[in-house]
Amino acid sequence: EDKVVQSPLSLVVHEGDTVTLNCSYEVTNFRSLLWYKQEKKAPTFLFMLTSSGIEKKSGRLSSILDKKELFSILNITATQTGDSAVYLCAVVPLNDYKLSFGAGTTVTVRA
Amino acid sequence: ETGVTQTPRHLVMGMTNKKSLKCEQHLGHNAMYWYKQSAKKPLELMFVYSLEERVENNSVPSRFSPECPNSSHLFLHLHTLQPEDSALYLCASSQETGWSYEQYFGPGTRLTVT
Repeated sequence: EDKVVQSPLSLVVHEGDTVTLNCSYEVTNFRSLLWYKQEKKAPTFLFMLTSSGIEKKSGRLSSILDKKELFSILNITATQTGDSAVYLCAVVPLNDYKLSFGAGTTVTVRA
Repeated sequence: ETGVTQTPRHLVMGMTNKKSLKCEQHLGHNAMYWYKQSAKKPLELMFVYSLEERVENNSVPSRFSPECPNSSHLFLHLHTLQPEDSALYLCASSQETGWSYEQYFGPGTRLTVT
């Protein structure tokens, strides 16, 4: 059975801090890894990672995948209160549509 | 209206009630999904429809009954639910199943079973 583990489960930081979120996985026939941000509504797509070592960036967010060690990290620099959310990691196997989600990391950014 | 919409946004129902959740996607996608999100647990896939045909039900209890009358609409019929069924129910859609990995989510229905 596919397994996705996110750490930490939650963290509290102050504005301007940098946070690093971890996602490790055990998936048969890995295709890609996705990061989502979920506030008090539907998850919104952040990144899709398919290849190792290639950093994806969007503003203050960046993410990278390590297919050898089976993990991904999501970095948020210069955090703002609007970054407060649950960050979800999901993996997609080959030839399948079933996303396997981790439990999420709750990030709280205090002013 | 664009994207994926869900109604109602909030629902409180007794254990003997029958209600339905509705999802509509305006993206021209061929696949639609129901997920359950309980507090502090990973998202759980409940049902998948591809071109209006159900392809996955993940051993969901029969008190949840999905219906997909066309590729734009998806329903989840609820009856004789249990308090542990209280959760956020999310609908999603994607262009295709199998090769499409980007699922677009609706805002969810917050269900409380009393």
